[in-house]
Amino acid sequence: KNQVEQSPQSLIILEGKNCTLQCNYTVSPFSNLRWYKQDTGRGPVSLTIMTFSENTKSNGRYTATLDADTKQSSLHITASQLSDSASYICVVSAVYTGANNLFFGTGTRLTVIP
Amino acid sequence: DTEVTQTPKHLVMGMTNKKSLKCEQHMGHRAMYWYKQKAKKPPELMFVYSYEKLSINESVPSRFSPECPNSSLLNLHLHALQPEDSALYLCASSQNWGDNYGYTFGSGTRLTVV
Repeated sequence: KNQVEQSPQSLIILEGKNCTLQCNYTVSPFSNLRWYKQDTGRGPVSLTIMTFSENTKSNGRYTATLDADTKQSSLHITASQLSDSASYICVVSAVYTGANNLFFGTGTRLTVIP
Repeated sequence: DTEVTQTPKHLVMGMTNKKSLKCEQHMGHRAMYWYKQKAKKPPELMFVYSYEKLSINESVPSRFSPECPNSSLLNLHLHALQPEDSALYLCASSQNWGDNYGYTFGSGTRLTVV
């Protein structure tokens, strides 16, 4: 069964600190993995997208890693800011068409406090 | 233009009303999607349009009626909704159905049914 699990469910950190969010998946056959940031009541915004052959990808203070062997990904946020408070969603896509091929994690709710 | 535009941003409607949600993109994407997202849950796929034809209907009640007038526009017609239909409705588009590299979400319509 295709599943995406994220941990932790929620996280509170002090402004300026680093944090790491985890994503484990069982989606097969794997196409790519994308991390989204979603502010409350708004649409998801893509942070990074990684294919099977990519281990690390950065976007400013966001760095995503992918281990396709263990089917794990992480999103590392450096020097957190108050504006980083949001839900972070891991989305994995499978290599097929003709049916829904995007699988969403339930997200990690990050709160950055001053 | 690399955006998916959704209108209105907020909508409050009674259970006997008829309303429509609109979604527009000018990226030349040929696949467009409607999602429903309840609070603290991941988005759930409702409909997929590919080349202006309905390709997936994820067993959505008939009180939700999608329409794709042309390759840039996607509407969701609402009629006789229930309070439990209150949610964030997200539109997304991609180059082709199953192509996730250009997958872009709109900012959503916050729907409240009273």
